[in-house]
Amino acid sequence: DTGVSQNPRHKITKRGQNVTFRCDPISEHNRLYWYRQTLGQGPEFLTYFQNEAQLEKSRLLSDRFSAERPKGSFSTLEIQRTEQGDSAMYLCASSLGLRDTYEKLFFGSGTQLSVL
Amino acid sequence: AQKITQTQPGMFVQEKEAVTLDCTYDTSDPSYGLFWYKQPSSGEMIFLIYQGSYDQQNATEGRYSLNFQKARKSANLVISASQLGDSAMYFCAMRPSGSARQLTFGSGTQLTVLP
Repeated sequence: DTGVSQNPRHKITKRGQNVTFRCDPISEHNRLYWYRQTLGQGPEFLTYFQNEAQLEKSRLLSDRFSAERPKGSFSTLEIQRTEQGDSAMYLCASSLGLRDTYEKLFFGSGTQLSVL
Repeated sequence: AQKITQTQPGMFVQEKEAVTLDCTYDTSDPSYGLFWYKQPSSGEMIFLIYQGSYDQQNATEGRYSLNFQKARKSANLVISASQLGDSAMYFCAMRPSGSARQLTFGSGTQLTVLP
């Protein structure tokens, strides 16, 4: 399977615990995105990497959230001191690049986080 | 700031018929791109079609076409000859040109194709 891979598929945690998600993009893709999707809504942008550099962060990304992409390959998204409001689907996407406004994103199946 | 509005939370269509999913947008950027993505129950968002704001012709990709009306700021998705496998959530999204990279998504339309 050469698509975008996300692990785990589901994560249940207690409020206050830390969680970490992993995303493996398509190997030749240099751009990687994290989005968050709550029930009945479209995805919301969280952060974006070009290679290993984190170039943009949404205001949605509080200090409890941190993302890394060491060596420009896989990426991790960590949430510290989880809150019930963090419950959502976390989607990762990757792409080959941007041409003007055109960019075809390839998404993973997401990690569904439930905070109890 | 950009905003995408999808006013149809749910739509039903008979198999083999055509269906139009509505999308309106708001932006002050002179150059932008419009996208449609499909999200089946498995959760993976799948790219369907793209329209650039300066493209003269409406985009088409197989059974998908985009009815782009720039003056009305609408970018409706038309699916011809619906198939059972088309049942999914459909999201309209926009990206402006310039330094901002992120897509802004609408709230989606749940399409159900009836046999």
